[in-house]
Amino acid sequence: AQSVSQHNHHVILSEAASLELGCNYSYGGTVNLFWYVQYPGQHLQLLLKYFSGDPLVKGIKGFEAEFIKSKFSFNLRKPSVQWSDTAEYFCAVSAHNTDKLIFGTGTRLQVFP
Amino acid sequence: DVKVTQSSRYLVKRTGEKVFLECVQDMDHENMFWYRQDPGLGLRLIYFSYDVKMKEKGDIPEGYSVSREKKERFSLILESASTNQTSMYLCASSSRRQVLGGYTFGSGTRLTVV
Repeated sequence: AQSVSQHNHHVILSEAASLELGCNYSYGGTVNLFWYVQYPGQHLQLLLKYFSGDPLVKGIKGFEAEFIKSKFSFNLRKPSVQWSDTAEYFCAVSAHNTDKLIFGTGTRLQVFP
Repeated sequence: DVKVTQSSRYLVKRTGEKVFLECVQDMDHENMFWYRQDPGLGLRLIYFSYDVKMKEKGDIPEGYSVSREKKERFSLILESASTNQTSMYLCASSSRRQVLGGYTFGSGTRLTVV
């Protein structure tokens, strides 16, 4: 069965600091990978996704993620965070050609001015 | 431009009550999903549906059922609510024609069972 691990449960940063949130998945086959964001009081939104091709994918608001197949990882990065990035971030995986997403437990990011 | 609408933002129900959570999407999506979101546990899939009158169990279906009588509507039913079903419930939909398009989520229903 698929599973997703997010080891950082709560991250606190100052504005302009660099961000990297870890995501590891467990699945033997080809996968599709996603990062979703939930801003306070808002619904979940898609940040970026990977299904094939260039393992470095760019999303909205300056976020990017790198798929490293050998490490079963899909870490989210941003070179310089802003206070408005304060949110909860969820990594998710689906098996190739399916649409059933399995989510990680989420990482709460707090950015202080 | 709300696309996935969950009928209630907050609900308080008593133990043993039958509870209906409604979700409607206006994007003509084939796929619909119900998750519950709990602190420290992330989102866990309860049930999903790939077509009208079709349903499949997710990872935590116990104590829940669903109904999909129309393409745009997917209802989650708690047959006999219990306090451990106090949670945030999220509905999502996606298009079969755009499998990798990701989900569109509703705003959620925060259910408290007392």
